[in-house]
Amino acid sequence: QVQLQESGPGLVKPSQTLSLTCTVSGDSISNGDFYWSWIRQPPGKGLEWIGYIYYSGATYYSPSLKSRISISVDTSKNQLSLKLSSVTAADTAVYYCARAAGTWGNYLSPWGQGTLVTVSS
Amino acid sequence: QSALTQPPSASGSPGQSVTISCTGTSSDVGAYNYVSWYQQQSGKAPKVMIYEVSKRPSGVPDRFSGSKSGYTASLTVSGLQAEDEADYYCSSNAGSNNYVFGTGTKVTVL
Repeated sequence: QVQLQESGPGLVKPSQTLSLTCTVSGDSISNGDFYWSWIRQPPGKGLEWIGYIYYSGATYYSPSLKSRISISVDTSKNQLSLKLSSVTAADTAVYYCARAAGTWGNYLSPWGQGTLVTVSS
Repeated sequence: QSALTQPPSASGSPGQSVTISCTGTSSDVGAYNYVSWYQQQSGKAPKVMIYEVSKRPSGVPDRFSGSKSGYTASLTVSGLQAEDEADYYCSSNAGSNNYVFGTGTKVTVL
């Protein structure tokens, strides 16, 4: 079955760039039926959609984060990546990657287990 | 864009039903039939329970059902079981390639 696994540094300093990778197994990231997404959840709070990417490289970002985000895919490694620049403590969260299915990728399944990123000096 | 509005909490005894609302606007819930619901058990990743308002993925019990009227979507859990205790989040399109989540509802099985 499809599995997603996030990886990256657990601690990032303020003003630096957060970089995460999501490795997909059990499906090809070049599968044109899906988008590949990032979502985050600050500790004790709700979910926030960050954005997603189609295998062609087309990207769609949350308007509130658009100026700081970059999502890319590496089809040779079956991975997607997230970069979030100029981080502050407000960016501390569990970051999830997920496959987005349906028209416009309107629902997320499955999800990775998530990785906690703390922004602190 | 603002988060969709959900009640902070809901509860019911085993065997009872609980319904969670998700209220948006004419730009999200009211505009698209692309509302989904996610269950997040403590310490785990979310799992989709309902998509496209009322469709149930394979493996999700038929105790879970979804509906929508106007700007409000709803998730109903019938025949509550202890394992249904979790946080539930709705999500909706807010534009063709833009999404917004709800504020989340903690469901307690009494």
